[in-house]
Amino acid sequence: DIVMTQSPDSLAVSLGERATVNCKSSQSVLYKSNNNNYLAWYQQKPGQPPKLLIYWASTRESGVPDRFSGSGSGTDFTLTISSLQAEDVAVYFCQQYYNSPPTFGQGTKVEIK
Amino acid sequence: EVQLLESGGGLVQPGGSLRLSCAASGFTFSSYVMSWVRQGPGKAPEWVSHISDSGGSTYYAGPVKGRFTISRDNSKNTLHLQMNSLTAEDTAVYYCAKGYRGSGSSYSDYWGQGTLVTVSS
Repeated sequence: DIVMTQSPDSLAVSLGERATVNCKSSQSVLYKSNNNNYLAWYQQKPGQPPKLLIYWASTRESGVPDRFSGSGSGTDFTLTISSLQAEDVAVYFCQQYYNSPPTFGQGTKVEIK
Repeated sequence: EVQLLESGGGLVQPGGSLRLSCAASGFTFSSYVMSWVRQGPGKAPEWVSHISDSGGSTYYAGPVKGRFTISRDNSKNTLHLQMNSLTAEDTAVYYCAKGYRGSGSSYSDYWGQGTLVTVSS
């Protein structure tokens, strides 16, 4: 199974500041035949299911604010919140879907400083 | 509007069985891979199983292989998970999730609200 490792486990950022979450996969999730990275990001708030934010490493899901962006390729990926808002307090997970089983990172908790 | 509504969770004794169901609406159910994903308290989501659009292909995570069976009824837009020989380690919220394509590993663009399974004596 592909192991997904996120860093940090938690971070506190001031309102309006940038938040950066990292995700590393134990093997490449880049499918060379189509040049797509099979990597997604989710946001989860307490008592709610995960919500899809980003897929193909950098494609924003419909309705997701443009302050959320994804980048990276191969084994190293980043989720960036450009200007943290109060409603962004949540746990963020990366997930690879390059092969089965799909696997998730352990999560990064984002809080307000 | 896509809706996924899980049911069937509850308290069960170790060694017991439960059958979860997920009623889907708002999309062409028979065109998408469907998954069960579970999440223990304070833990990351853990993918459990998925089934292809036709139901002809299934995949299970190691910890549940041989104990859980995923199935779907495309005529009723319903997904099921039969869980046998349950242990305390199966305690979690179980989510039904829709994939982006018809088969294989997938990200999940829609999730249900989840149903809680508690295995305890």
